[in-house]
Amino acid sequence: DGGITQSPKYLFRKEGQNVTLSCEQNLNHDAMYWYRQDPGQGLRLIYYSQIVNDFQKGDIAEGYSVSREKKESFPLTVTSAQKNPTAFYLCASRATGSGNTIYFGEGSWLTVV
Amino acid sequence: EDQVTQSPEALRLQEGESSSLNCSYTVSGLRGLFWYRQDPGKGPEFLFTLYSAGEEKEKERLKATLTKKESFLHITAPKPEDSATYLCAVQEVGGSYIPTFGRGTSLIVHP
Repeated sequence: DGGITQSPKYLFRKEGQNVTLSCEQNLNHDAMYWYRQDPGQGLRLIYYSQIVNDFQKGDIAEGYSVSREKKESFPLTVTSAQKNPTAFYLCASRATGSGNTIYFGEGSWLTVV
Repeated sequence: EDQVTQSPEALRLQEGESSSLNCSYTVSGLRGLFWYRQDPGKGPEFLFTLYSAGEEKEKERLKATLTKKESFLHITAPKPEDSATYLCAVQEVGGSYIPTFGRGTSLIVHP
């Protein structure tokens, strides 16, 4: 089935560690996105990529990094510089045309211990 | 000031009690307005896209409508399984197709 796969579903990070969240899509979408969701807040954009080997900072990029070496993959690294990383992270993708709708993965929970 | 405001923040309904959720937006030009349903601990599920004032879309008990300043998600005779958070998002003309999301309306339908 076509879709967006995020892994792991749950991740625990120790203080000072970098962790990487995986996002893979088999929808042949060009654009991919990472959002952060906190209770009571809307989705906030971390990074986005319109095309392979290119990505742009979103509204809250500090403490995060990404890469886009393949069309299907857009991993997000949460670095030790991110002071409040505990959140629900959502990966999304969009096909050009087709109404420009963004589709989401199932999300990853990151908790700092 | 938020570009996308959803109201109410939370709504409790009895099964069968119809109601509406509101999404108001303040963008200079609307490329598209999107509605999503999100269950706890899961990613948002796409429901509808609306492009121009007067447009309507329906899916089972849900109907989305659009005016020049707001959108409504009407829920007719809701069932407990309709309980979820409903998110609205807006794409602005001239932007990079990145939608701005509202904070959502949490809907609980009691049996």
